Amino acid sequence: EAGVTQFPSHSVIEKGQTVTLRCDPISGHDNLYWYRRVMGKEIKFLLHFVKESKQDESGMPNNRFLAERTGGTYSTLKVQPAELEDSGVYFCASSPIGRGYEQYFGPGTRLTVT
Amino acid sequence: DAKTTQPTSMDCAEGRAANLPCNHSTISGNEYVYWYRQIHSQGPQYIIHGLKNNETNEMASLIITEDRKSSTLILPHATLRDTAVYYCIVSLSGSARQLTFGSGTQLTVLP
Repeated sequence: EAGVTQFPSHSVIEKGQTVTLRCDPISGHDNLYWYRRVMGKEIKFLLHFVKESKQDESGMPNNRFLAERTGGTYSTLKVQPAELEDSGVYFCASSPIGRGYEQYFGPGTRLTVT
Repeated sequence: DAKTTQPTSMDCAEGRAANLPCNHSTISGNEYVYWYRQIHSQGPQYIIHGLKNNETNEMASLIITEDRKSSTLILPHATLRDTAVYYCIVSLSGSARQLTFGSGTQLTVLP
């Protein structure tokens, strides 16, 4: 069974540019989550999808971040415009309905904003 | 969600049991204890969870005290591949949505 995949693995952009991160969850997992770890800090929750619906986006830091999950399959997280403090590792996770505690994480996308 | 307290770091000899403690003295009756770990440069990995009974799976055992104010994750025969940061997370309901990661315990398994 393929795990959660994320693309790209690493992205380096300049302040003010736009970046789009992609997450492909495990097939059949309706729950999809985004988390991030910014430098020196703890892993923080960003948002949670159930299928294509945003269930909880309380962790989104500001309106420069936009997450979508069209069709309830893969998800994208767009940062526009990127700021220096957005640098960090962005993780995606998925889980089956009813097993939200058992989240399968992808390897993460390391975002560097210069 | 209740706050958890874990030691910053621990060492364990390869082949020995690793016992990782977690304090969660403000846990409420319907909050579960979850354990995840993060091996360097990888995403976090689910290990085990429990409410009040001890639990065991192929990876580890979870011992929760009777008053539920603390728990211990046990890796019965630690290997070098178990070197990771281990997170104890307390969350409402058995179907956690957002996970709140603290700073965790850095476990180093020594050869």
